[in-house]
Amino acid sequence: GAVVSQHPSRVICKSGTSVKIECRSLDFQATTMFWYRQFPKQSLMLMATSNEGSKATYEQGVEKDKFLINHASLTLSTLTVTSAHPEDSSFYICSARLGSRNEQFFGPGTRLTVL
Amino acid sequence: AQKVTQAQTEISVVEKEDVTLDCVYETRDTTYYLFWYKQPPSGELVFLIRRNSFDEQNEISGRYSWNFQKSTSSFNFTITASQVVDSAVYFCALIRRNTGGFKTIFGAGTRLFVKA
Repeated sequence: GAVVSQHPSRVICKSGTSVKIECRSLDFQATTMFWYRQFPKQSLMLMATSNEGSKATYEQGVEKDKFLINHASLTLSTLTVTSAHPEDSSFYICSARLGSRNEQFFGPGTRLTVL
Repeated sequence: AQKVTQAQTEISVVEKEDVTLDCVYETRDTTYYLFWYKQPPSGELVFLIRRNSFDEQNEISGRYSWNFQKSTSSFNFTITASQVVDSAVYFCALIRRNTGGFKTIFGAGTRLFVKA
């Protein structure tokens, strides 16, 4: 099946630093990747949709300057949390859509803790 | 409005009991896709099933079964003879395809505790 990886799986950083999370589709090309955020005991919230080679589309209420998304290739999308603060601590999950199939494959998630 | 409702926040059962997780959805689309995912404590989402709106056949996979009823906009999930390893959060999700693209709407999730 289609595999999506995320790196790092866990990251702890100091307040004010920037953190980059990578999402890779390992055995397929993903024209579209999605970034979700999940707070403890809550559901997944879509943050943005990124299409290869174009700017990401952010959901309402998500700050594009805070959460920078780059989808430079068909197998890699990155999410950079800029000037992270404790309230950015969360579980971030990416997913990738295989071609025009109506399903997505999820990465294992990245747990971000900002001290 | 597009919405997925999982009214059961938490369910606790004893091993070997059967348990049904409810999912009710709202959509105006005629073509849509429904999913169930399992999220164990590790956090990784595990795909369980996909159903498209034109396929109302129920499905059984081992101890898992799904009941899709368009008339009531429900897509319920039953675990037969539950096991401790079934303890997890289960999410029902709706994917809609429209001119705006491809978007997944998740329910709030149901946390299942299976006690030995």
